[in-house]
Amino acid sequence: DTGVSQNPRHKITKRGQNVTFRCDPISEHNRLYWYRQTLGQGPEFLTYFQNEAQLEKSRLLSDRFSAERPKGSFSTLEIQRTEQGDSAMYLCASGTGNTEAFFGQGTRLTVV
Amino acid sequence: DAKTTQPNSMESNEEEPVHLPCNHSTISGTDYIHWYRQLPSQGPEYVIHGLTSNVNNRMASLAIAEDRKSSTLILHRATLRDAAVYYCILGNSGGSNYKLTFGKGTLLTVNP
Repeated sequence: DTGVSQNPRHKITKRGQNVTFRCDPISEHNRLYWYRQTLGQGPEFLTYFQNEAQLEKSRLLSDRFSAERPKGSFSTLEIQRTEQGDSAMYLCASGTGNTEAFFGQGTRLTVV
Repeated sequence: DAKTTQPNSMESNEEEPVHLPCNHSTISGTDYIHWYRQLPSQGPEYVIHGLTSNVNNRMASLAIAEDRKSSTLILHRATLRDAAVYYCILGNSGGSNYKLTFGKGTLLTVNP
């Protein structure tokens, strides 16, 4: 499968715990995006990387959120001290240039 | 970000054409019109995009009004697999980013 891969697909965690999600983009895609989607809403932009550089962060990305793309390939999104409001689907997308973005199937986070 | 307005839901019958409207009266001259769709439990999937001229691809056609304040996504023969949420998004594909601002989209139901 050469699409965008996200792991894990599902994560249940207790409030206050830290969680980390991984995204493997399509190889040779230099752009990588993270989005968050809650039930009944469209995805909301969180952050954007071009290669290893994080070029834009949404104000939705509080201090408890951090994203990295250390070698310009895979990316991780970490949430510290999770809260119930963090429960959502976290989507990763990759692309090249300014054309279409290819999305993964997402990681569904449930904070209990 | 320029906003789009779409109906919350639409219904179609299998093998009939579907016309999904989108209003974007505040579109700027450099904004492209993108359409993505999201099937249940999947990440969004690129459908089509255009700037001024009508566009066709294997999935759909995009008809853009002469004043660019509205557009219509056309599925020529709807199938059950086309049941999804369809998002109309404005984006500046000439910029250095490809951040997509999703609304709530149109939920398309296809009846057998």
